[in-house]
Amino acid sequence: ELKVEQNPLFLSMQEGKNYTIYCNYSTTSDRLYWYRQDPGKSLESLFVLLSNGAVKQEGRLMASLDTKARLSTLHITAAVHDLSATYFCAVDTNSGGSNYKLTFGKGTLLTVNP
Amino acid sequence: DVKVTQSSRYLVKRTGEKVFLECVQDMDHENMFWYRQDPGLGLRLIYFSYDVKMKEKGDIPEGYSVSREKKERFSLILESASTNQTSMYLCASSSLGPYGYTFGSGTRLTVV
Repeated sequence: ELKVEQNPLFLSMQEGKNYTIYCNYSTTSDRLYWYRQDPGKSLESLFVLLSNGAVKQEGRLMASLDTKARLSTLHITAAVHDLSATYFCAVDTNSGGSNYKLTFGKGTLLTVNP
Repeated sequence: DVKVTQSSRYLVKRTGEKVFLECVQDMDHENMFWYRQDPGLGLRLIYFSYDVKMKEKGDIPEGYSVSREKKERFSLILESASTNQTSMYLCASSSLGPYGYTFGSGTRLTVV
């Protein structure tokens, strides 16, 4: 059974600081996703990481993937209050033929304080 | 703009009621999914479907069933709602292969 573990589950940061969220998964995967969720809202796709060594950046967020270590990181640079949200990683696994399904981590609740 | 539409944003139902949560996608996607989201537990897969009239159990199917009579519509059914099914329910769809997922806006169900 695939397990996806995120840490930390809660993260309180000061504005301007840097931090990293980690996502470990227990089996081989074809892709890894990062999502953002604001309170009461649905999921917003941030990054899709497709191969070993993939790195993607958008604004103050940078995601990377190491498939050999089964580890993805989401790095936050110079945090601002607007980044406060819950961040999920999710692992895409093949369930037969061309069919895939997503398994999520428990999420990291990020609070950025002034 | 592509969409996954969940028919209700908020629902309040009584214990023992039969509850239908509807999801419609306009992207001609083959695959559709129902997730449940609870604080501290993330999103957990209830059921999914890769084709019309086909369904597969996810990680937590107990107490739920699904129906997919048309490609664009995937319904989640709570045969006899219980208070422990109070949760946020998210529907998603995807095309064949690894091309990403689109999520609906969610239905917050409260069972009293």
